[in-house]
Amino acid sequence: EAGVTQSPTHLIKTRGQQATLRCSPISGHTSVYWYQQALGLGLQFLLWYDEGEERNRGNFPPRFSGRQFPNYSSELNVNALELEDSALYLCASSLAGRGVVQPQHFGDGTRLSIL
Amino acid sequence: GESVGLHLPTLSVQEGDNSIINCAYSNSASDYFIWYKQESGKGPQFIIDIRSNMDKRQGQRVTVLLNKTVKHLSLQIAATQPGDSAVYFCAENHYGQNFVFGPGTRLSVLP
Repeated sequence: EAGVTQSPTHLIKTRGQQATLRCSPISGHTSVYWYQQALGLGLQFLLWYDEGEERNRGNFPPRFSGRQFPNYSSELNVNALELEDSALYLCASSLAGRGVVQPQHFGDGTRLSIL
Repeated sequence: GESVGLHLPTLSVQEGDNSIINCAYSNSASDYFIWYKQESGKGPQFIIDIRSNMDKRQGQRVTVLLNKTVKHLSLQIAATQPGDSAVYFCAENHYGQNFVFGPGTRLSVLP
């Protein structure tokens, strides 16, 4: 069974540009989560999508946005890129909770570098 | 605010010894915890989880202990191997909200 897949692996942009990162969850998983991991730091929660709806977002500016498609894949969009946005962006997926929290399984991330 | 932290940012152990990685959490309402392993250039890998109705859970060479009285979580790795070298994160969750991750502990296995 394929795990969570993310594309691209690496992305290089300049300040002010826009970036789009993509994530395909594990088959059968309906929830998708996005995290930012800056160099040497822990995981900071960005966004949570479930059944196509945004369920929660972390403490990030509105230029970080995303969506989830009917096939449960997801996109993370970052507008007006800033140098501080350089980080590893991780996507995770989980089964629907049905009232019980399910473990999240991660992809290997997209390394976003802002020049 | 709520936070999940680790007592030791780095841990070095001899190959073959047992490793213990600790995590303190601040939210007494947290009811689900996960340990992840992250190797260089890869995403976090699920190791083991535990819910708050349990004190201990064992996997292959790993054991997670939960002490709700002092809000402490630990990961024990038996017979540590070079392949165990990585950064280990604990994560907490309560009421189905988003997980909160600790800053991580780097485990180095010495030959």
